[in-house]
Amino acid sequence: ETGVTQTPRHLVMGMTNKKSLKCEQHLGHNAMYWYKQSAKKPLELMFVYSLEERVENNSVPSRFSPECPNSSHLFLHLHTLQPEDSALYLCASSQELAQGRSPLHFGNGTRLTVT
Amino acid sequence: GDSVTQMEGPVTLSEEAFLTINCTYTATGYPSLFWYVQYPGEGLQLLLKATKADDKGSNKGFEATYRKETTSFHLEKGSVQVSDSAVYFCALSDRSNQGGKLIFGQGTELSVKP
Repeated sequence: ETGVTQTPRHLVMGMTNKKSLKCEQHLGHNAMYWYKQSAKKPLELMFVYSLEERVENNSVPSRFSPECPNSSHLFLHLHTLQPEDSALYLCASSQELAQGRSPLHFGNGTRLTVT
Repeated sequence: GDSVTQMEGPVTLSEEAFLTINCTYTATGYPSLFWYVQYPGEGLQLLLKATKADDKGSNKGFEATYRKETTSFHLEKGSVQVSDSAVYFCALSDRSNQGGKLIFGQGTELSVKP
């Protein structure tokens, strides 16, 4: 049990579908993150939330829409994705926003395939 | 801007061999340095860290020393096991740049054969 739970573990969707990824953390952390992990590329930070407020959006296409209804839950809503969006999507949390002082705790990810 | 460079993988070793994974960094301030590990089918988890020059981080038989003079944080283990097969990520956090956001290297895959 990592303390950060992501569902589903695997998702296959067509380009016209709408789906959502869910992340829940049981650690009492105040910051949550979405990362994209593609083969042979560095981890890409997509979104950062601190105390339910979005503090960073790294030029992510609007077909990805995050939502943080409370400090324990984070969603990533997906619509009209492209095949190049196929990747492992990782959720993480930390006690506070300065990640050097408080390490990131990651979930096991959602493996997304866009057909 | 700040960056992290790791040796390219995959690295393939036999069980009980000595491991070194090189990591160098560039930073404007005085960063903290980290190694994260990702086992197959899982997310990343913190392996060890060092917060200032000459600090040595260690965990599970792995060690890394923060070398300011060579801007390096190489990961070492004296005798690897099959269970160490994973992807290893070097990372830095520099509070004088981007508020301490973690910056990751590209990852180095390690495969240990029995």
